[in-house]
Amino acid sequence: GQQVMQIPQYQHVQEGEDFTTYCNSSTTLSNIQWYKQRPGGHPVFLIQLVKSGEVKKQKRLTFQFGEAKKNSSLHITATQTTDVGTYFCAGGYGNKLVFGAGTILRVKS
Amino acid sequence: DVKVTQSSRYLVKRTGEKVFLECVQDMDHENMFWYRQDPGLGLRLIYFSYDVKMKEKGDIPEGYSVSREKKERFSLILESASTNQTSMYLCASSRPKEQFFGPGTRLTVL
Repeated sequence: GQQVMQIPQYQHVQEGEDFTTYCNSSTTLSNIQWYKQRPGGHPVFLIQLVKSGEVKKQKRLTFQFGEAKKNSSLHITATQTTDVGTYFCAGGYGNKLVFGAGTILRVKS
Repeated sequence: DVKVTQSSRYLVKRTGEKVFLECVQDMDHENMFWYRQDPGLGLRLIYFSYDVKMKEKGDIPEGYSVSREKKERFSLILESASTNQTSMYLCASSRPKEQFFGPGTRLTVL
């Protein structure tokens, strides 16, 4: 079946450092979505990318969708303690969404 | 704002019990989903439904069934709970784009 691989599984950064998480699919995606789950909370939708090579920004967060629509990344510039949580990508295969395993981000202040 | 509610935040059951997890959404979404979340495995789709009385198997349907008698309600049923079903269960509903998640039910099967 379809699988979305996400790395790293865990990252611990100093406040102010940058952070990146990557997702990869072996087959072409119709879209990619990103979610954030705060500790003790539930996943909350951040963004959807649909077009090949698309780049979107939300303040310090930059989302990219690869040219082949098989990979994506989320980059956070100058992390803050409020960025802690688990970031999930979710690959769209037609009507179906397949989640990556998530990257847990911890920020040391 | 979309609201997705789940019947319990925490639940403890014994092996072999029948377990019902209820999910209700208030935004008239057609699509509803049940996931389980386990450390290192992310969210895995158990079942989903695109309409009333309609259901489709996700990636890990074994040991589970679902019911969707009304548009706003999607129930997950564990016919005979087992210890390997101890997990966090998340319900979601969606427009064509993003999914909205409920707060989750942490189920422990002893």
